[in-house]
Amino acid sequence: EAGVVQSPRYKIIEKKQPVAFWCNPISGHNTLYWYLQNLGQGPELLIRYENEEAVDDSQLPKDRFSAERLKGVDSTLKIQPAELGDSAVYLCASSSPGSAEAFFGQGTRLTVV
Amino acid sequence: GDSVTQMEGPVTLSEEAFLTINCTYTATGYPSLFWYVQYPGEGLQLLLKATKADDKGSNKGFEATYRKETTSFHLEKGSVQVSDSAVYFCALYKIIFGKGTRLHILP
Repeated sequence: EAGVVQSPRYKIIEKKQPVAFWCNPISGHNTLYWYLQNLGQGPELLIRYENEEAVDDSQLPKDRFSAERLKGVDSTLKIQPAELGDSAVYLCASSSPGSAEAFFGQGTRLTVV
Repeated sequence: GDSVTQMEGPVTLSEEAFLTINCTYTATGYPSLFWYVQYPGEGLQLLLKATKADDKGSNKGFEATYRKETTSFHLEKGSVQVSDSAVYFCALYKIIFGKGTRLHILP
């Protein structure tokens, strides 16, 4: 069974440019998470979806970040415009109903120059 | 609010040494607790978990016991190997992670 798939793996953009990350969760997993991981730090939750509904987006900087999960499967996280401080690894994870475990993708490493 | 505190690294040990990485948490109720591991160049993987008080999670020789009286979930291994070198994260539910502890095992 395929794991959580994220693309791209790496992205370098200039500041003020937009960027988008894509995540395909494990089939059947209704919960999807986006995390931000800075170097030397643990993952920090940005947004959590239950199916297509964002149930926790309190940590998402809504002035520049947006996310969607149309049809409750794939998800896209967007930053517009990107700032130097957005350089980090963006992780996607998913879990199945009632499960205590989240499965993580490889992440997208963003570098803003 | 809910939080996780784990010991800062890096932790450097010789092969076959005993390992303890401390983790304490603050939360209402009795949340599920996890240890995740991130090997060099790889994504986060669940190492072990415990879903209620006094549960012991175990995997790959690692163990952690959910202690509600001390709000702790310390990770232990009796004899570490070079291949255990990685970053270890303690987590609360699936949402709140500690800062991670980098472990180096010397041959």
